[in-house]
Amino acid sequence: KAGVTQTPRYLIKTRGQQVTLSCSPISGHRSVSWYQQTPGQGLQFLFEYFSETQRNKGNFPGRFSGRQFSNSRSEMNVSTLELGDSALYLCASSLRTGESGANVLTFGAGSRLTVL
Amino acid sequence: GDSVTQMEGPVTLSEEAFLTINCTYTATGYPSLFWYVQYPGEGLQLLLKATKADDKGSNKGFEATYRKETTSFHLEKGSVQVSDSAVYFCALMSREYGNKLVFGAGTILRVKS
Repeated sequence: KAGVTQTPRYLIKTRGQQVTLSCSPISGHRSVSWYQQTPGQGLQFLFEYFSETQRNKGNFPGRFSGRQFSNSRSEMNVSTLELGDSALYLCASSLRTGESGANVLTFGAGSRLTVL
Repeated sequence: GDSVTQMEGPVTLSEEAFLTINCTYTATGYPSLFWYVQYPGEGLQLLLKATKADDKGSNKGFEATYRKETTSFHLEKGSVQVSDSAVYFCALMSREYGNKLVFGAGTILRVKS
């Protein structure tokens, strides 16, 4: 079955612009999470959506936002881009959320954002 | 808050050598523990997991045991291959925070033929 699909895979923006990244989860998965990966800070949790509701949010400024649609597809948006936003943005999907704390997340290949 | 500490790399081994990557964690309650692997240019793949104390996760020759008394989840493999070269991440998930994974810094493994 198809995995987690992220688009675009690569993009270049300039400071001050905004960007929207898209994530299509595995069919039937209702939870979508986003992570930022940088050499300096490693992998950091951005937010999680389940059934179109934000379940949890990491420690990022309000310039980072997201949403989830009724078909479980998700988008994240970063406004007023800064050089430090250059990163690999990873999306992960899961069937469920919470409860057992042992849900397996399946990751996409990521969207690599470069801010000039 | 929750945190994960991994041994720093890179770790360089010859083919067929024994591998250990140390991982310790700090968390309230009883988190689930995971090892993920990332190959160049790719996302993360789940390698193995353990959900309670003394559980052993295993996959593709890799093993890790959830040790509550030492808050550790060390990754081991008896005989590494060149194809195991990748970055390995230890992570935890606490049920209080939904599907939020807290990752260690990652350990680069290089296997020479």
